[in-house]
Amino acid sequence: AQSVTQLDSQVPVFEEAPVELRCNYSSSVSVYLFWYVQYPNQGLQLLLKYLSGSTLVKGINGFEAEFNKSQTSFHLRKPSVHISDTAEYFCAVSDDGGTSYGKLTFGQGTILTVHP
Amino acid sequence: NAGVTQTPKFQVLKTGQSMTLQCAQDMNHEYMSWYRQDPGMGLRLIHYSVGAGITDQGEVPNGYNVSRSTTEDFPLRLLSAAPSQTSVYFCASRKTGGNYGYTFGSGTRLTVV
Repeated sequence: AQSVTQLDSQVPVFEEAPVELRCNYSSSVSVYLFWYVQYPNQGLQLLLKYLSGSTLVKGINGFEAEFNKSQTSFHLRKPSVHISDTAEYFCAVSDDGGTSYGKLTFGQGTILTVHP
Repeated sequence: NAGVTQTPKFQVLKTGQSMTLQCAQDMNHEYMSWYRQDPGMGLRLIHYSVGAGITDQGEVPNGYNVSRSTTEDFPLRLLSAAPSQTSVYFCASRKTGGNYGYTFGSGTRLTVV
């Protein structure tokens, strides 16, 4: 079985400051990792994904994440946030297919609030 | 290119009523799934399907039924609505293999009174 823990339920930050949203996962098999963003009253939009290769993954809107296999982490970072980044962010893990068909398991979500 | 379309966007039901949430995708994705989103709990998988005629249970299947008669459609049925089913429901799809990532619908906000 796989699971995801997002270590912060809420992260307040001032505009133009850096931010890190933390995500740890557990799985007994190789995994794919994702970050999704949900703006108020909208669906989920893919920010970035790690499938294989370079452990530093760049996504949309200036976000990046680093896969750390030894620490089973996939933290999301942005060097300078904007008011428009205010949203809820979800970390998710999918196994490599196998018998569970790559089902997506989500963390609890982190609400990022950017203050002026 | 509509992606994943969910209807209705909002619904209020009385306890004990039944209804069907619709989900359709036009990307020829084999894999489709239903999630419910509740505050502080992220998204939890209800049911999923890997192709027409094939469905299976997810993490929280009780009180819900699904069927997959075509590649495009994956409706979710609430058999007898309960207040605990008040939630936001998302449908998602993807191609099998390669893990290209999921495409999500815009959600259905359901209130059971």
